[in-house]
Amino acid sequence: DAKTTQPNSMESNEEEPVHLPCNHSTISGTDYIHWYRQLPSQGPEYVIHGLTSNVNNRMASLAIAEDRKSSTLILHRATLRDAAVYYCIRRGSQGNLIFGKGTKLSVKP
Amino acid sequence: IAGITQAPTSQILAAGRRMTLRCTQDMRHNAMYWYRQDLGLGLRLIHYSNTAGTTGKGEVPDGYSVSRANTDDFPLTLASAVPSQTSVYFCASRVGTGPTDTQYFGPGTRLTVL
Repeated sequence: DAKTTQPNSMESNEEEPVHLPCNHSTISGTDYIHWYRQLPSQGPEYVIHGLTSNVNNRMASLAIAEDRKSSTLILHRATLRDAAVYYCIRRGSQGNLIFGKGTKLSVKP
Repeated sequence: IAGITQAPTSQILAAGRRMTLRCTQDMRHNAMYWYRQDLGLGLRLIHYSNTAGTTGKGEVPDGYSVSRANTDDFPLTLASAVPSQTSVYFCASRVGTGPTDTQYFGPGTRLTVL
């Protein structure tokens, strides 16, 4: 299974935008990129997913590079409640999610 | 709607003991999964079930078994617990079979094997 690569940690100030990068250079043409986040002491929760074009929802935006080898999750205005580990994920053959270590986002007031 | 419930919330277990972690969903999702998360790492798949009556092995299945007698329940059993099974266990469910389907996770069970 192809890997995704993310920075171990990032910091942001409250109410500023955050750009969380992910490299997925071996992704196939039909694989979606999924983002989940895990708040402290909770299970992961869905954030957003995309295939080729940029995507927006109420939680975040996802910018996918034209060659699909990388993507960026954008939180437009970080809040303290956005402090979490963010995972850039591919799906496995059984519909399971393949997790890496993710990026731990810290948000400073 | 409760979503996914897991029990117990946490457990300390002596090595060699048998333990069943319970997982129940009320969303009528077909697929269910068990993952484990070790400290500082991402989740790894233990077992999965695509529909009631079927199960399969994931990345780290050794020492674990599952059953799927009905749609709602997906228990995970440790037949003889070992310290390396100390972890946080997450159950998840997914509706449908498409590449964009969302997974929903339970709150987790924190298991310590001594």
